Amino acid sequence: DTGVSQNPRHKITKRGQNVTFRCDPISEHNRLYWYRQTLGQGPEFLTYFQNEAQLEKSRLLSDRFSAERPKGSFSTLEIQRTEQGDSAMYLCASSSPRGGWTGELFFGEGSRLTVL
Amino acid sequence: AQSVTQLDSQVPVFEEAPVELRCNYSSSVSVYLFWYVQYPNQGLQLLLKYLSGSTLVKGINGFEAEFNKSQTSFHLRKPSVHISDTAEYFCATTSQGAQKLVFGQGTRLTINP
Repeated sequence: DTGVSQNPRHKITKRGQNVTFRCDPISEHNRLYWYRQTLGQGPEFLTYFQNEAQLEKSRLLSDRFSAERPKGSFSTLEIQRTEQGDSAMYLCASSSPRGGWTGELFFGEGSRLTVL
Repeated sequence: AQSVTQLDSQVPVFEEAPVELRCNYSSSVSVYLFWYVQYPNQGLQLLLKYLSGSTLVKGINGFEAEFNKSQTSFHLRKPSVHISDTAEYFCATTSQGAQKLVFGQGTRLTINP
């Protein structure tokens, strides 16, 4: 079963360092999403791609955040100059529009970031 | 803007008891509504969804939800819970043509033996 895969699962870093997370979506899915989930909150939308095109970005995605999906397959989310407020679980999800948009997203297990 | 409110952050119930997790939505356009479940150390997965049609929606693991337009609610129910239902449950919404889901804050369901 090749679901959505995220790496690394856990990352501890010092404030000011850069971190990068990778997401491998389900292979036939052309849409890929990034969400952020902080303790006690629901997931918050960050950005989404259709193939390699980044079509929407949330205001939550500050200039220190950049996401790419260069070949329309895997995606990376980079956070530069990390701050303690960036500590969260970063979730990746994918979907396929085949059959029409149903809102069903397939989530990975997340990448937990702790900024010291 | 679309939003959902989950009225209970935690719900403790005894095993085999019925449970209802409450969700109210806010939207000025046609909505799609979802319940996702997050088991410990696992990713979120879809429990059920309402897109159109019958207002009573059945999902996996014996859960069901009812879309109530007049009360702007989409409460999740199960007649008899099991220990394995222990998880965090998220209500979410989107609208036709939109690509992002808007999630509620989640309800932690704890099952006591």
